[in-house]
Amino acid sequence: GEDVEQSLFLSVREGDSSVINCTYTDSSSTYLYWYKQEPGAGLQLLTYIFSNMDMKQDQRLTVLLNKKDKHLSLRIADTQTGDSAIYFCAESWEYGNKLVFGAGTILRVKS
Amino acid sequence: GAVVSQHPSWVICKSGTSVKIECRSLDFQATTMFWYRQFPKQSLMLMATSNEGSKATYEQGVEKDKFLINHASLTLSTLTVTSAHPEDSSFYICSATLAGDTYYEQYFGPGTRLTVT
Repeated sequence: GEDVEQSLFLSVREGDSSVINCTYTDSSSTYLYWYKQEPGAGLQLLTYIFSNMDMKQDQRLTVLLNKKDKHLSLRIADTQTGDSAIYFCAESWEYGNKLVFGAGTILRVKS
Repeated sequence: GAVVSQHPSWVICKSGTSVKIECRSLDFQATTMFWYRQFPKQSLMLMATSNEGSKATYEQGVEKDKFLINHASLTLSTLTVTSAHPEDSSFYICSATLAGDTYYEQYFGPGTRLTVT
């Protein structure tokens, strides 16, 4: 079956890098996503990676995918207090359709 | 652009009553809307997929007679929790997307907190 797991909490100092990890079980997943949820707001898509890619970088965000180990990570460089939020990883077979989410990782950034 | 709203943002109802939650795409036409349920410290669980003008497709284990979904227009989908019970208390989130031959990004609403007393 489909299962996505994340650690629940991460605390970092402002300016440090944050690394949020995720593991998934469905080897047929084609797309893997990172979403950000701030209080009172909907989930916002940060980035996604196609399963035939190993890495994707977008400004301060770096996504690494180890397909063999079914491990996905999100690295946020120079973490800011505005990055404090809940981060969800998700997977799907078809882009934008039937997302399977992890439980979310609460990122707290200390100034 | 691509804003999705939900109404109400929170609701308290008595056991046995029904409550309706609205999901609107404000600046785009959503051919497909998804309804999720989220328990504290747990992942979003997809409940159903609704396409405009047709019946919703429910995920396994979701009672379609209890969670009525209507997607009557390209900008509005509603979820009605019928005969609500305390175990239905949860955070309900909708998302909307343009979908045709290809799916596009899902845009999420801010969620509705339902408490059944």
